[in-house]
Amino acid sequence: ETGVTQSPTHLIKTRGQQVTLRCSSQSGHNTVSWYQQALGQGPQFIFQYYREEENGRGNFPPRFSGLQFPNYSSELNVNALELDDSALYLCASSPPQTGAYEQYFGPGTRLTVT
Amino acid sequence: AQSVSQHNHHVILSEAASLELGCNYSYGGTVNLFWYVQYPGQHLQLLLKYFSGDPLVKGIKGFEAEFIKSKFSFNLRKPSVQWSDTAEYFCAVNAGSSGTYKYIFGTGTRLKVLA
Repeated sequence: ETGVTQSPTHLIKTRGQQVTLRCSSQSGHNTVSWYQQALGQGPQFIFQYYREEENGRGNFPPRFSGLQFPNYSSELNVNALELDDSALYLCASSPPQTGAYEQYFGPGTRLTVT
Repeated sequence: AQSVSQHNHHVILSEAASLELGCNYSYGGTVNLFWYVQYPGQHLQLLLKYFSGDPLVKGIKGFEAEFIKSKFSFNLRKPSVQWSDTAEYFCAVNAGSSGTYKYIFGTGTRLKVLA
């Protein structure tokens, strides 16, 4: 069984640019959540997707947006990148039988904004 | 607002020492509680979880945690740590408000076990 995968592993962008991060959920999982983990901090909830709809959002500005596809994979888009957006971005998927109470995390994408 | 506090940011222990990592949360309703571990260079892995029932839960690798509702606490314990337990440990709360099952994480505790 393949776990949650994310791409790319690392990314370097310039301030003001836009970035798209991708996540493939674990087989059979229909809910995807995205988190931002700044250096030395715990992960912070960005948003969650269920059945291709946003199902809740944390305290992140609208330039953070996402998509979920029919195969339950997901994208995180960040526009107008700022230096503070440098972080590890984590995707987590959840199986339908537990709602989203159980979340299984991918390895993350390390984004550096210069 | 909901929050999770982890009291110890860095802990250094010798092998075979006992471990207790503190976790307190602020939320008055029903919560689900988790401990995750992040080994160097690896992704977050679930150590154990509490949904309901017996407040003493056992997880993988000999870890256990006790939910004390009156203290809003969910401390992680291990009787005898090993060098391979060197990692960062995160406590998380899931309160499922408005159907959004987001996790709120603490800031983490870095554990270093000396061989």
